[in-house]
Amino acid sequence: QKEVEQNSGPLSVPEGAIASLNCTYSDRGSQSFFWYRQYSGKSPELIMSIYSNGDKEDGRFTAQLNKASQYVSLLIRDSQPSDSATYLCALWMDSSYKLIFGSGTRLLVRP
Amino acid sequence: EPEVTQTPSHQVTQMGQEVILRCVPISNHLYFYWYRQILGQKVEFLVSFYNNEISEKSEIFDDQFSVERPDGSNFTLKIRSTKLEDSAMYFCASSSRGQTYGYTFGSGTRLTVV
Repeated sequence: QKEVEQNSGPLSVPEGAIASLNCTYSDRGSQSFFWYRQYSGKSPELIMSIYSNGDKEDGRFTAQLNKASQYVSLLIRDSQPSDSATYLCALWMDSSYKLIFGSGTRLLVRP
Repeated sequence: EPEVTQTPSHQVTQMGQEVILRCVPISNHLYFYWYRQILGQKVEFLVSFYNNEISEKSEIFDDQFSVERPDGSNFTLKIRSTKLEDSAMYFCASSSRGQTYGYTFGSGTRLTVV
C-alpha cells in the first residue's frame, strides 16, 4: 500500500472556481501534513502545513485534515491560471524522521 | 527571504563518472536532506543528515552515494559511478526543526547521465 496517494489528474477548473485536491495516507500515526506546489521543472514550494483535525485557512488556500479517515485536502478558492501546477501532498514520518511525498495532482486553471 | 542554494543547476556527465552536487542550506537550519525526482515521477527521499551524520537513508541511497558537510556551510551529495538511471532532478532541502515547519527546497540540480 502506498504511503501517500493522490489522483494524478489533471484536474481542470475554470478561472475563479474552487479547486479541490485530495490525498489519502496509510500511516495512522502521522501527525504533520504539508501541501507543496511544484511548477514544471522547478522545486517544490511549501504552501501550507496542517497538524490538527479540521480546517486551516491561509488566503485563498484551505487545508482540511481528517485523521480518522486518513484524508487531507487542499481547497483553492478563486483559482487563477497562475495556480496551474502540480500539487504535492506530503506527510512527516515520525518513525523514520523524514517527509514522504505523494505523486502529485496536476491542476489546470482555464482562463 | 533565506534560501537554499544548489550548484550546478545542470550537470551532464558520462556514465561511470563521479559527480558532486553542492548545496548551501539556510544558515540556522540543522536538518539537511537530499531528494531526487526522475522526470514525470514523484519526489523521492534519499537521505537525511543531522548533527554531522546520516539520520536515515532510503534503499536508493546505496554504496554509490555519499553525503558530506565538509565545512559549516556546504552540504554535498556524491555519486561515485553514475548510471543512466541516476538521471534526475536532485533537490537539497533544509529545516530548522525537523517535521514541524516543513522543508525549504533548493532550486535543484538537473543531472543528465549519458
